[in-house]
Amino acid sequence: EAGVTQFPSHSVIEKGQTVTLRCDPISGHDNLYWYRRVMGKEIKFLLHFVKESKQDESGMPNNRFLAERTGGTYSTLKVQPAELEDSGVYFCASSGTAYEQYFGPGTRLTVT
Amino acid sequence: SQKIEQNSEALNIQEGKTATLTCNYTNYSPAYLQWYRQDPGRGPVFLLLIRENEKEKRKERLKVTFDTTLKQSLFHITASQPADSATYLCALGDQTGANNLFFGTGTRLTVIP
Repeated sequence: EAGVTQFPSHSVIEKGQTVTLRCDPISGHDNLYWYRRVMGKEIKFLLHFVKESKQDESGMPNNRFLAERTGGTYSTLKVQPAELEDSGVYFCASSGTAYEQYFGPGTRLTVT
Repeated sequence: SQKIEQNSEALNIQEGKTATLTCNYTNYSPAYLQWYRQDPGRGPVFLLLIRENEKEKRKERLKVTFDTTLKQSLFHITASQPADSATYLCALGDQTGANNLFFGTGTRLTVIP
């Protein structure tokens, strides 16, 4: 069974540019989560999809972040325009009916 | 807001000994607590889940305890091996339906041969 995949693994962009991160969850998992870890801090929740619907987006920092989940399959997280403080590692996780979450390897975003 | 503290940033232990990691929390009443392992450059990997009404859970060489009165979980690795070296994260969740996790900053465990 393929795990959660994320693309790209690394992204370096300049302040003001746009970046789109992609996550492919484990097939059949209705729940999809986005988390972020900034340097030296804990992993923080951003938002949660159930199928294609946003269940909870209370962790999204501001309206520069837009998440979508097309047809309840893969998800994208767009940052537009990127700011320096957006740098960090963005993790995607998916889960089925159980509470355990399966994490992808993360996308390391560097905004210069 | 909830606060989750893991006892130390780094823990060194001799191979064969038992490693004990601590997770303390405040301002929160989780329905369950999970422990994850994270290796450099990788995402967290689920290890164990313990619910609020459970005192102890075991899986092979791993043992987790959960004390909701003390607001603390202990994570033990018995007969530790160098391959156990990694960062260990505790994560708290509730049953509102969202199951979003609140993570601690992690403890980096090094098992010395």
